[in-house]
Amino acid sequence: GAVVSQHPSWVICKSGTSVKIECRSLDFQATTMFWYRQFPKQSLMLMATSNEGSKATYEQGVEKDKFLINHASLTLSTLTVTSAHPEDSSFYICSARTSGPREEQYFGPGTRLTVT
Amino acid sequence: GQNIDQPTEMTATEGAIVQINCTYQTSGFNGLFWYQQHAGEAPTFLSYNVLDGLEEKGRFSSFLSRSKGYSYLLLKELQMKDSASYLCAPMDSNYQLIWGAGTKLIIKP
Repeated sequence: GAVVSQHPSWVICKSGTSVKIECRSLDFQATTMFWYRQFPKQSLMLMATSNEGSKATYEQGVEKDKFLINHASLTLSTLTVTSAHPEDSSFYICSARTSGPREEQYFGPGTRLTVT
Repeated sequence: GQNIDQPTEMTATEGAIVQINCTYQTSGFNGLFWYQQHAGEAPTFLSYNVLDGLEEKGRFSSFLSRSKGYSYLLLKELQMKDSASYLCAPMDSNYQLIWGAGTKLIIKP
């Protein structure tokens, strides 16, 4: 199946700093990528949908100035958590959707962010 | 509104068969996905159904009935490594996946 990578797989940062997470579709082009957040033992929560070359669409309650999303190419989307706080500590997962009749959606391995 | 209903937890024995049911209500429908998620890991894709019927892929099969808003995931010859959460996720008219809390499957020897 299609492969989606994320980097880094885990990161620890100090409160007030910014962290960038990369999401790449390795063997297919993804016009649409999604960013999710998952707290322990909870369901995936969609944060935003990004389409290549256009601004991301954020879900209600997600601060677009805090979670900056850039979908610069058909294989790369980045999420930057700006001025991170301990409550931003979470598991961030991206997914990429293939184009074509089936439009399957594949997930990256996730990035565990810990803000101290 | 949009809603997913799956059992919270199921227990089965190694080597047995288990069926995880999912009922859903969505605004429009563009297929239904099943994912497996081990604790602390991202979901992995298992299956995608867009037409009614059964799709078989190795030990896993997935069934869809669009008129009933119903799907199930069938796991055969259960192995200990199958212990995980199984997420049913229909795709709505905006091509967004709708997530439920998933079913935690516990496999006992």
